[in-house]
Amino acid sequence: GAVVSQHPSRVICKSGTSVKIECRSLDFQATTMFWYRQFPKQSLMLMATSNEGSKATYEQGVEKDKFLINHASLTLSTLTVTSAHPEDSSFYICSANPQSGWDQETQYFGPGTRLLVL
Amino acid sequence: GNSVTQMEGPVTLSEEAFLTINCTYTATGYPSLFWYVQYPGEGLQLLLKATKADDKGSNKGFEATYRKETTSFHLEKGSVQVSDSAVYFCALSDQRRNSSYKLIFGSGTRLLVRP
Repeated sequence: GAVVSQHPSRVICKSGTSVKIECRSLDFQATTMFWYRQFPKQSLMLMATSNEGSKATYEQGVEKDKFLINHASLTLSTLTVTSAHPEDSSFYICSANPQSGWDQETQYFGPGTRLLVL
Repeated sequence: GNSVTQMEGPVTLSEEAFLTINCTYTATGYPSLFWYVQYPGEGLQLLLKATKADDKGSNKGFEATYRKETTSFHLEKGSVQVSDSAVYFCALSDQRRNSSYKLIFGSGTRLLVRP
């Protein structure tokens, strides 16, 4: 239980294009989802907190116009990397806090999406 | 602010050896503490958690005890296996005003277990 999926698992795109990554909670509803970025052999960097029905909260230094977040329902959040450049290449991971029914303090993580921008 | 400090890796052990990965934290209040594990190319999986002082979290042979007096949450396993090779992250929860919980992670410790 408490499964979070991400799609796609891997994407390669050309510089200047936009890429959308989906994060879904499969068996619970999540009022809050989180988006992280992870560089090789490093820890996770929180990018933003995605709130259903309201604007996302971005961490300091993260460009909100570059990384668009939409939390359209209680089971889906999307991250769109706009006008991607090679420096945006990274491993993007989402997580979700259950609204109810599961441990609401624990974040459940998706499997990650590896983005490579050529 | 709240923070988590982990021992630097990599930690290399032989199979069946005893494992300790140190984790200490700085926090106001009484956060919950977590260990997450990340296998190569995958997202994070919750390994164990503890919600209050003296609680012991355990799972798959791993244990960690919430020590308020030493602000620590060290991860231990009595006999590691090759399949335990992964990166381990210590984290604490930081409740926000909107009642969501932000996780603050340590830097991660890579464990390599040799046959």
